[in-house]
Amino acid sequence: GAGVSQTPSNKVTEKGKYVELRCDPISGHTALYWYRQSLGQGPEFLIYFQGTGAADDSGLPNDRFFAVRPEGSVSTLKIQRTERGDSAVYLCASSADSGGTDTQYFGPGTRLTVL
Amino acid sequence: KQEVTQIPAALSVPEGENLVLNCSFTDSAIYNLQWFRQDPGKGLTSLLLIQSSQREQTSGRLNASLDKSSGRSTLYIAASQPGDSATYLCAVSTGTASKLTFGTGTRLQVTL
Repeated sequence: GAGVSQTPSNKVTEKGKYVELRCDPISGHTALYWYRQSLGQGPEFLIYFQGTGAADDSGLPNDRFFAVRPEGSVSTLKIQRTERGDSAVYLCASSADSGGTDTQYFGPGTRLTVL
Repeated sequence: KQEVTQIPAALSVPEGENLVLNCSFTDSAIYNLQWFRQDPGKGLTSLLLIQSSQREQTSGRLNASLDKSSGRSTLYIAASQPGDSATYLCAVSTGTASKLTFGTGTRLQVTL
């Protein structure tokens, strides 16, 4: 079946601009996660959705970052007033539930470059 | 705060060798541990998931072990092949969100 998909695959923007990154999870998966991976590092947790609600946003670095999942499926990560330090690969993952027992399946990521 | 460490950072082996990748974590209150593979410029592919109550999992030439009390896991790859060349990431799941905390990975190169 279809895996997690993310669009765009690459995004180049200028400092100060607004960007949106989209994630389509595996159909039927209620849990959705966003992570950020900087060069040479492991991914770092940003935010977790269970259904439509953001159950844990403790990883968002500041209030320029926001994410939504209005219908409990597709999620959008929004970054305002982008900074060069936001450049990274943004990864989305989904799992069947959040009970801690299920594998998280990752999408291919969106590579964000802020000039 | 959970911290995950992977040793070695990089490893080069000739084809056919068996090898072990190491992962350690500081907080033993985990739900599970996952090993992932990441190819350059690509996303993560889940290889094995070990629940906190389990000691090991096997898939083909891969075997992962978990010693939760000591905060350690190993990934054993048998009869390595050039196609195994990739970065291998270890991650532990913690908290009500089951969010993953990752190590920085081991970059493996299998040479002909």
